[in-house]
Amino acid sequence: QSALTQPASVSGSPGQSITISCTGTSSDVGGYNYVSWYKQHPGKAPQLMTYAVSNRPSGISNRFSGSKSGNTASLTISGLQAEDEADYYCSSFTSSTTWVFGGGTKLTVL
Amino acid sequence: EVQLVESGGGLVKPGESLRLSCAASGFTFSNAYMSWVRQAPGKGLEWVGRIKSKTDGGTADYAAPVKDRFTISRDDSKNTLYLQMNSLKTEDTAVYYCATHRSGSFDYWGQGTLVIVSS
Repeated sequence: QSALTQPASVSGSPGQSITISCTGTSSDVGGYNYVSWYKQHPGKAPQLMTYAVSNRPSGISNRFSGSKSGNTASLTISGLQAEDEADYYCSSFTSSTTWVFGGGTKLTVL
Repeated sequence: EVQLVESGGGLVKPGESLRLSCAASGFTFSNAYMSWVRQAPGKGLEWVGRIKSKTDGGTADYAAPVKDRFTISRDDSKNTLYLQMNSLKTEDTAVYYCATHRSGSFDYWGQGTLVIVSS
């Protein structure tokens, strides 16, 4: 199972909105609504930001929103803040009854 | 408060075995599906495997690179998850995280334990 495809890096200024894409296939992202997104600071454990495509766990800001179209999922962060700077990973269930992650995207807040 | 604490990591030689543990608290462990996820130094996240609750059969699924070498088990009486790793390879070097698994996502994570496989 190949990793999902994410851009290596994205950047934005405080207050702006950015979107990170996550491209898979019909056997993973396109076939199931089990896409989730994670934020990870260096040396720390990942944190769940959205699940089941567009749901937010309790305590996660509504500035974070998930969506999906076909084989591509997206995470949009609005009103960018300095503390949003981190690595972001997407994940999806697959037809092989396994899970696959994206390669990760480094978000830089300018 | 959900807490997951991994232990058992260390330095081992290729071909050797190691068992990781994950002590859980703050939720009903016996009802939970649990996963192991690893991260090689400087690399991205990689799913290792998941075990269902015993109520749902207690079976485990594995990623292709570890299938037939790694085994996930659980002791609900001790609220503990295990990862038995055999025939370790240098490419298994990583921080290993345990995580609760719900609604197709990994919602709570431990702090991780480092496994280094090197001769």
